[in-house]
Amino acid sequence: KAGVTQTPRYLIKTRGQQVTLSCSPISGHRSVSWYQQTPGQGLQFLFEYFSETQRNKGNFPGRFSGRQFSNSRSEMNVSTLELGDSALYLCASSIGQQNEKLFFGSGTQLSVL
Amino acid sequence: LAKTTQPISMDSYEGQEVNITCSHNNIATNDYITWYQQFPSQGPRFIIQGYKTKVTNEVASLFIPADRKSSTLSLPRVSLSDTAVYYCLVATGGGFKTIFGAGTRLFVKA
Repeated sequence: KAGVTQTPRYLIKTRGQQVTLSCSPISGHRSVSWYQQTPGQGLQFLFEYFSETQRNKGNFPGRFSGRQFSNSRSEMNVSTLELGDSALYLCASSIGQQNEKLFFGSGTQLSVL
Repeated sequence: LAKTTQPISMDSYEGQEVNITCSHNNIATNDYITWYQQFPSQGPRFIIQGYKTKVTNEVASLFIPADRKSSTLSLPRVSLSDTAVYYCLVATGGGFKTIFGAGTRLFVKA
């Protein structure tokens, strides 16, 4: 069974640009969560999608958005990039029921110059 | 959501048993306790989950006292490859809004 796939693995952008990250969950998983990880702030929850609907959202500005498609694949978009957006962006998939464990991808390392 | 508190870092030697304790005083009735392991530049990996008493799998044991206000992850006979960050989570709803704390950085020395 294939794991969670995130693309691209590395990305370099400049301030003001926008970026789209992609996450393909494990087959059969309907929930996809996104996290931002930085050395200073640790792992921070961005949002979670289940069956194409955003079910939960963390405390990030509106520049961070996401969506989920009917095949459960998810994309995350960051507009008007800032230097502070440089981070490892992780997505995790699960069946989506209570207390289900999360399966993480290897992440997308975003560098904003 | 229950907040968790765990030591920032721990050192150990190969072959020793390592116990990492997590405090979660405000745990709710429906909350499960889950531990993840993370290596640099990788996503966290599920280790173990429990609700009460003791849970054991092939890599670790989880001890939860009756009041469930804390839990202890036990790693038997650690090796260098167990050097990682270990996160204790208390969350209802799996991926609904799973919040990670700062984690415990375990460093295993030869």
